[in-house]
Amino acid sequence: DQQVKQNSPSLSVQEGRISILNCDYTNSMFDYFLWYKKYPAEGPTFLISISSIKDKNEDGRFTVFLNKSAKHLSLHIVPSQPGDSAVYFCAGKTGNQFYFGTGTSLTVIP
Amino acid sequence: DAGVIQSPRHEVTEMGQEVTLRCKPISGHDYLFWYRQTMMRGLELLIYFNNNVPIDDSGMPEDRFSAKMPNASFSTLKIQPSEPRDSAVYFCASSAEAGGRRGYTFGSGTRLTVV
Repeated sequence: DQQVKQNSPSLSVQEGRISILNCDYTNSMFDYFLWYKKYPAEGPTFLISISSIKDKNEDGRFTVFLNKSAKHLSLHIVPSQPGDSAVYFCAGKTGNQFYFGTGTSLTVIP
Repeated sequence: DAGVIQSPRHEVTEMGQEVTLRCKPISGHDYLFWYRQTMMRGLELLIYFNNNVPIDDSGMPEDRFSAKMPNASFSTLKIQPSEPRDSAVYFCASSAEAGGRRGYTFGSGTRLTVV
């Protein structure tokens, strides 16, 4: 039972353009959401987070939007850079546990 | 800080063999997590420890999987006997708290291939 879903396995974007990665969830008890970034042969690293009481959080080129009524969050990267090419995981937190999606592989084309 | 250290980086084994994955968490982190990454299910939590005590092992697939944490600086995940469907990347992660707002620090993972 996948509580967090990333329905796009991959995404390609031109350098300088906006990348939008999407995530849907089913568990209304999630009180926090995180995005992780993962390069090949490395472990996931924390990127940005958002509390369920907010609808937007911004950190430099990265912005996460949360739509609770739709149970949907998205990560915007503007402008996209080749170094952003990686797999991005979203995760929802309830209690002491995080539930991760399957990841979206982003390729930024120079 | 060397981060979370996992060994081996790659493991290829034959079906039926015992496999042991190892993890050294960040010093001072009281929580240790074992995750498995597959294409179909993403990152799945297998088990987590707090102060060396297993707290939740509900994600362990079956009795063939076992995990131990004999001390604060070492944990193992064992699969016996291994099967081809166990092939995945296994991550260890540690944290000073469970459910913290920056999540966990992950190791680089062990890619397991069972043939």
